[in-house]
Amino acid sequence: DVKVTQSSRYLVKRTGEKVFLECVQDMDHENMFWYRQDPGLGLRLIYFSYDVKMKEKGDIPEGYSVSREKKERFSLILESASTNQTSMYLCASSFPPPGTSGTSTDTQYFGPGTRLTVL
Amino acid sequence: QKEVEQNSGPLSVPEGAIASLNCTYSDRGSQSFFWYRQYSGKSPELIMSIYSNGDKEDGRFTAQLNKASQYVSLLIRDSQPSDSATYLCAVGRGGYNKLIFGAGTRLAVHP
Repeated sequence: DVKVTQSSRYLVKRTGEKVFLECVQDMDHENMFWYRQDPGLGLRLIYFSYDVKMKEKGDIPEGYSVSREKKERFSLILESASTNQTSMYLCASSFPPPGTSGTSTDTQYFGPGTRLTVL
Repeated sequence: QKEVEQNSGPLSVPEGAIASLNCTYSDRGSQSFFWYRQYSGKSPELIMSIYSNGDKEDGRFTAQLNKASQYVSLLIRDSQPSDSATYLCAVGRGGYNKLIFGAGTRLAVHP
């Protein structure tokens, strides 16, 4: 079974703090993703990575950065947390390398999520 | 127009009935389509994936895809209270297996 883990289920931080959210997958997946989920807005892609040290902006990268130093680990960083970053953060991973979209290995597997509250 | 649209619901069905969940998408070039189930406070879990026009069945679930109409649906037969959850439609886009998600339809199955 694919296992994706996230460092915390619940996190409370103060405005202006630097926040690290970590995600680890154990299936040697190439691709990893960070989403945030807000009521009525669904999942929105923040950043993704298709290889170690490679990253691409998603739809809402402002206020966030990422790091992927090892294949199994993908970190989301909030440089200076703000109240509008209060949300559920979900990490996902998928296997195939670029260019193989359309096969059954497209599937993204999600971690349990981190509910972040910024006060 | 949103890239992936779903009716937010709630869709309420009696136990044992067929639940029909619908999704439309705007990118005619999309090739891969997914249905995820998400229980309250939990992360999404994959139910079905579909890549070709027509129906794909897995147990009580059937996914239907019509690329000409840019429409994908999920049917749940013999609905159970344990099926009560939010169902997310996701569509593949671009490279790197990126997905774009609809906002989800909340399904409530009542005894």
